[in-house]
Amino acid sequence: AQSVTQLDSQVPVFEEAPVELRCNYSSSVSVYLFWYVQYPNQGLQLLLKYLSGSTLVKGINGFEAEFNKSQTSFHLRKPSVHISDTAEYFCAVSEETSGSRLTFGEGTQLTVNP
Amino acid sequence: DTEVTQTPKHLVMGMTNKKSLKCEQHMGHRAMYWYKQKAKKPPELMFVYSYEKLSINESVPSRFSPECPNSSLLNLHLHALQPEDSALYLCASSQWAETSGTDTQYFGPGTRLTVL
Repeated sequence: AQSVTQLDSQVPVFEEAPVELRCNYSSSVSVYLFWYVQYPNQGLQLLLKYLSGSTLVKGINGFEAEFNKSQTSFHLRKPSVHISDTAEYFCAVSEETSGSRLTFGEGTQLTVNP
Repeated sequence: DTEVTQTPKHLVMGMTNKKSLKCEQHMGHRAMYWYKQKAKKPPELMFVYSYEKLSINESVPSRFSPECPNSSLLNLHLHALQPEDSALYLCASSQWAETSGTDTQYFGPGTRLTVL
């Protein structure tokens, strides 16, 4: 069975600084990877996903992530954050044998300060 | 359009009440999901419907009763809930890739439920 570890529960940064939110997974089969964002009192919004192909994936709002199979990682990055990026970010994994079942990490709270 | 809608946005109910949560999608998706999310935690899967049939029930107490009247609608009927059931209830939908894992789930805004 797969598992997901988000290494930082909270990441505070200043506006316009770069940010990286870390995600590691474990699985014995092929995986598919997702990042979701949850703004306060809202549902989850898909930021980006890796299914196959190029390991560098670009998503909405200027975010990108890189799939690294050897390090079993899928870290999320943004070169310059805005106050409006303050939210909870969830990394999630599905396996080729698990169908539509998603395993979520515990989440990372990104707080962007002025 | 990747919109999943949920009603109501907020719900307050007593432990003896009966209420329902509703979810709707018009993306032609064949799978719909209910999740429960407590504060500062990831969503926990409750139920999955694929092609209008219940395919996954994560040992959820019987006071939660899901229903899928058609491929666009998903309900969650609530009866005799406990205060610890207070949470954000999220609905999601996807195309339904039964084994490949490539399915992408799209979430609604959620219903904030408070049980008094």
